[in-house]
Amino acid sequence: EAQVTQNPRYLITVTGKKLTVTCSQNMNHEYMSWYRQDPGLGLRQIYYSMNVEVTDKGDVPEGYKVSRKEKRNFPLILESPSPNQTSLYFCATRRASGGAVSYGYTFGSGTRLTVV
Amino acid sequence: AQKITQTQPGMFVQEKEAVTLDCTYDTSDPSYGLFWYKQPSSGEMIFLIYQGSYDQQNATEGRYSLNFQKARKSANLVISASQLGDSAMYFCAMVGSNDYKLSFGAGTTVTVRA
Repeated sequence: EAQVTQNPRYLITVTGKKLTVTCSQNMNHEYMSWYRQDPGLGLRQIYYSMNVEVTDKGDVPEGYKVSRKEKRNFPLILESPSPNQTSLYFCATRRASGGAVSYGYTFGSGTRLTVV
Repeated sequence: AQKITQTQPGMFVQEKEAVTLDCTYDTSDPSYGLFWYKQPSSGEMIFLIYQGSYDQQNATEGRYSLNFQKARKSANLVISASQLGDSAMYFCAMVGSNDYKLSFGAGTTVTVRA
């Protein structure tokens, strides 16, 4: 079954304690992306990756890091979490398409992060 | 860059009635795709329907249809015969031909009343 697996689903942590949210996909998709969802703002892109070792900032990258050492994995790292990073996080993947816009996105189940 | 606007933060609809969720967009890309997603209270993102900018006909998927008006840059979602299980947040999103980023609107919460 094609899927994007995010872990953990829920996480409560304290300010400043480093954490990693994992994302793994089994579809051999080149493109992977992280979003955060906040009320009234929809989903905003944090970082994305076009392929292994190729990552770039999205719209709200401050306070986050990513890496893409393998094609299937794209972890999101919060080196020193702060309360304003309390949010719902999604990993999303799709095939590279050379300009085609119809390819669908596959989302992980989401991670609800609370930083106290 | 793409911009998506959903102006209805919340809506109530009676069971079995139809509801229209508004979505307008702005882009400079010559080709683009429009998506609608449903997010129930459990949080997952569920793909509902897709419309390509060059598609001649409006997309339909079961009880979901997309009212695509290219000149007005609108892509409204119509849910017919609403069910209690349709209560959820709905997001309009788009991607342009020049990058892979999926841009989202703020979302509309739909509550279906029995």
